[in-house]
Amino acid sequence: GESVGLHLPTLSVQEGDNSIINCAYSNSASDYFIWYKQESGKGPQFIIDIRSNMDKRQGQRVTVLLNKTVKHLSLQIAATQPGDSAVYFCAENPLGGSQGNLIFGKGTKLSVKP
Amino acid sequence: KAGVTQTPRYLIKTRGQQVTLSCSPISGHRSVSWYQQTPGQGLQFLFEYFSETQRNKGNFPGRFSGRQFSNSRSEMNVSTLELGDSALYLCASSPTDRVYGYTFGSGTRLTVV
Repeated sequence: GESVGLHLPTLSVQEGDNSIINCAYSNSASDYFIWYKQESGKGPQFIIDIRSNMDKRQGQRVTVLLNKTVKHLSLQIAATQPGDSAVYFCAENPLGGSQGNLIFGKGTKLSVKP
Repeated sequence: KAGVTQTPRYLIKTRGQQVTLSCSPISGHRSVSWYQQTPGQGLQFLFEYFSETQRNKGNFPGRFSGRQFSNSRSEMNVSTLELGDSALYLCASSPTDRVYGYTFGSGTRLTVV
């Protein structure tokens, strides 16, 4: 069935290091993917998105990589800061963004050690 | 520019009661979607509304319902509450009928006792 999963439930990194959060998806029809950050007591906050016609997209300190061959998505955070500590979710839209139905992964908790 | 506003922020209800949650989207946004977030199941899609019409529904029992008004504000209702309905209920709005530009509110924390 359709599912989005995360390889690592928790990730601890040193401040200043780069972080990589991974995600697997199973629906080959999905063509739109989003990474969200959720801090305690808040709703998910958009970080970056990518469409399936792209392999890589960069934002400010973040990069998303998409490997359609193995149905894998990753989020790279450069120079991780304490403010990056949060739970990160990947999400896919199996209908190409045409409807508001996102399938979310379980989440990875990122802890940044000062 | 105000974000997505959900009220109330916290709610405690007794099993068997019903509850109504409210969501005010970002001004100009016409699409509203609802999600349930629990530690065990994560974020799960409930339903989506666009221009007062339900366009998509997740795999939840009929006790969960919703609606959207002409000003794009949305409400969701849960009847005959069960302990397992305790969750964070999140609303997201989008300016169009697509998920691009999806913005979430801070949610309503529902506790059923």
